[in-house]
Amino acid sequence: DVKVTQSSRYLVKRTGEKVFLECVQDMDHENMFWYRQDPGLGLRLIYFSYDVKMKEKGDIPEGYSVSREKKERFSLILESASTNQTSMYLCASGRLAGGHTQYFGPGTRLTVL
Amino acid sequence: AQTVTQSQPEMSVQEAETVTLSCTYDTSESDYYLFWYKQPPSRQMILVIRQEAYKQQNATENRFSVNFQKAAKSFSLKISDSQLGDAAMYFCAYRNSDYGQNFVFGPGTRLSVLP
Repeated sequence: DVKVTQSSRYLVKRTGEKVFLECVQDMDHENMFWYRQDPGLGLRLIYFSYDVKMKEKGDIPEGYSVSREKKERFSLILESASTNQTSMYLCASGRLAGGHTQYFGPGTRLTVL
Repeated sequence: AQTVTQSQPEMSVQEAETVTLSCTYDTSESDYYLFWYKQPPSRQMILVIRQEAYKQQNATENRFSVNFQKAAKSFSLKISDSQLGDAAMYFCAYRNSDYGQNFVFGPGTRLSVLP
């Protein structure tokens, strides 16, 4: 079975803190994604990566950065957390070809106080 | 840019009954893929069913089937013989067939199953 794991299920941080969310996949997928999930808005793409050290901005990259030093690991970084970044963060991985699905991690519910 | 719309924020169905979740999308492409994902409460999102746009035949996976109307850009999900475990958020998603394209998700429909 494909496994996508995220470093934390729940995280509470204070405004201004630097926050790291990590994602690891074990299927040698080229693509990895970070989404933000908010009620009524569905999933919005923050960043994605199609190869090691490659990254592309998604729909809402402001306030976030990413790092992909190894193929299996994709990190999301909040340089200075703000209360409007309180959300559920989902990581996903998948193959590059269009017909392939994504596989999701369990999500990290981040609360910024 | 492609968009995906799910017009039903919430739905409910009686156990053992059938329910249909709606999804419409907007694209100028002719070749693409459509997906339904299920996200149970506090659990991981998983793929329910997938449809290739070039296939006229509607996809089916056990109790789950789709009604794909390409001209109308409609992609509804039918759940037959609903079970309590079907209660979840359901997301419709679109992906171009081009290599490396991203997914576009709808806002989701929360399905409740009543015993």
